[in-house]
Amino acid sequence: GIQVEQSPPDLILQEGANSTLRCNFSDSVNNLQWFHQNPWGQLINLFYIPSGTKQNGRLSATTVATERYSLLYISSSQTTDSGVYFCAVGYSGGGADGLTFGKGTHLIIQP
Amino acid sequence: EPEVTQTPSHQVTQMGQEVILRCVPISNHLYFYWYRQILGQKVEFLVSFYNNEISEKSEIFDDQFSVERPDGSNFTLKIRSTKLEDSAMYFCASRDSGRLYEQYFGPGTRLTVT
Repeated sequence: GIQVEQSPPDLILQEGANSTLRCNFSDSVNNLQWFHQNPWGQLINLFYIPSGTKQNGRLSATTVATERYSLLYISSSQTTDSGVYFCAVGYSGGGADGLTFGKGTHLIIQP
Repeated sequence: EPEVTQTPSHQVTQMGQEVILRCVPISNHLYFYWYRQILGQKVEFLVSFYNNEISEKSEIFDDQFSVERPDGSNFTLKIRSTKLEDSAMYFCASRDSGRLYEQYFGPGTRLTVT
């Protein structure tokens, strides 16, 4: 099956700093999603981005499908950005419709 | 904005008991999924469901698990005889039938087996 690796596993930053989270995957995908898991355990959908670049406020994401990686950028970090960020990939229509998640990046933003 | 809902938010059960986790997918969606996350670990795919049948399942989804769409709105996951290791957060997700494959996740049900 598809392998997903996220880096770094842990990241501690001061409020106001910028960060880049990386997701590498081992095979072709037509679905890639970034999630933020909040302290209550809910998965908040940040981006659906199988290719290209998207921006939403202080967050943006880029997926280079041909090179099998995606990046999530967080600018001007706030303490509420703390939590675990997951990348998940899949190939719908190709027998791998279920998403494969990475192990996540645990982000801590200190005031 | 339409969303996936799940009930209950937290369920406590004794080992060996049967549990049913319930989900209401987004109304026009046709593909449905269950995932689980053991505390501190990554989210794992369990099963996908389309056209009233299982379309894909993982190795985790063994004979103790079953899924059903009993009516036009609900999608359920049944665990027949719970074990301590079934304690986890269970997420339901759904997507529509178009070429955008984005899956929409519910808030999860935290299952605790004692």
